[in-house]
Amino acid sequence: GDSVTQMEGPVTLSEEAFLTINCTYTATGYPSLFWYVQYPGEGLQLLLKATKADDKGSNKGFEATYRKETTSFHLEKGSVQVSDSAVYFCALSPQLDSNYQLIWGAGTKLIIKP
Amino acid sequence: DAGITQSPRHKVTETGTPVTLRCHQTENHRYMYWYRQDPGHGLRLIHYSYGVKDTDKGEVSDGYSVSRSKTEDFLLTLESATSSQTSVYFCAISEPQVGQETQYFGPGTRLLVL
Repeated sequence: GDSVTQMEGPVTLSEEAFLTINCTYTATGYPSLFWYVQYPGEGLQLLLKATKADDKGSNKGFEATYRKETTSFHLEKGSVQVSDSAVYFCALSPQLDSNYQLIWGAGTKLIIKP
Repeated sequence: DAGITQSPRHKVTETGTPVTLRCHQTENHRYMYWYRQDPGHGLRLIHYSYGVKDTDKGEVSDGYSVSRSKTEDFLLTLESATSSQTSVYFCAISEPQVGQETQYFGPGTRLLVL
């Protein structure tokens, strides 16, 4: 079945460092891909998404490119801030009828130190 | 922000008691979801609804029931709470189409079963 694999955390970086959080997926067809972020004590919120191959989603300085050939959707940011400390979830929506359920990765906790 | 509220936000209860969590939306979205979030497990779908009185099970539905008598309200009931149901519960909503499967999350309910 469809699945999402994220790199394990926590990931600890210093402020202004470059960030990559890896996400790979297994799915038939062309799923939509998502990154969600969860700040401490809050619900999840959509960070960015891409709906077809080679699309790049971007928001708040974060980017991710839908790579069909490597089945990946890695999250990147050029210069992280302390305020980016959160848990990041990669998810996919299968192309075929799934009653619009999302398939979730396990989440990656990001810690940014000043 | 999507208009989603959850009540209560925090609850402590005893093993064997019934508990009902409420999710209320003001967006008139067709789909509603209940998830639980536990360390090491990410997000797991409990039940979801695709319309009034139309519900289906997710991957961890045992011990839970749901009801949706109005578009705006989705109730999650633990018939007889157990300590294994201690968790953070999130409601989500969506109005999905292919390529527009984004889910919007509520703030969560933290449940402790003693």
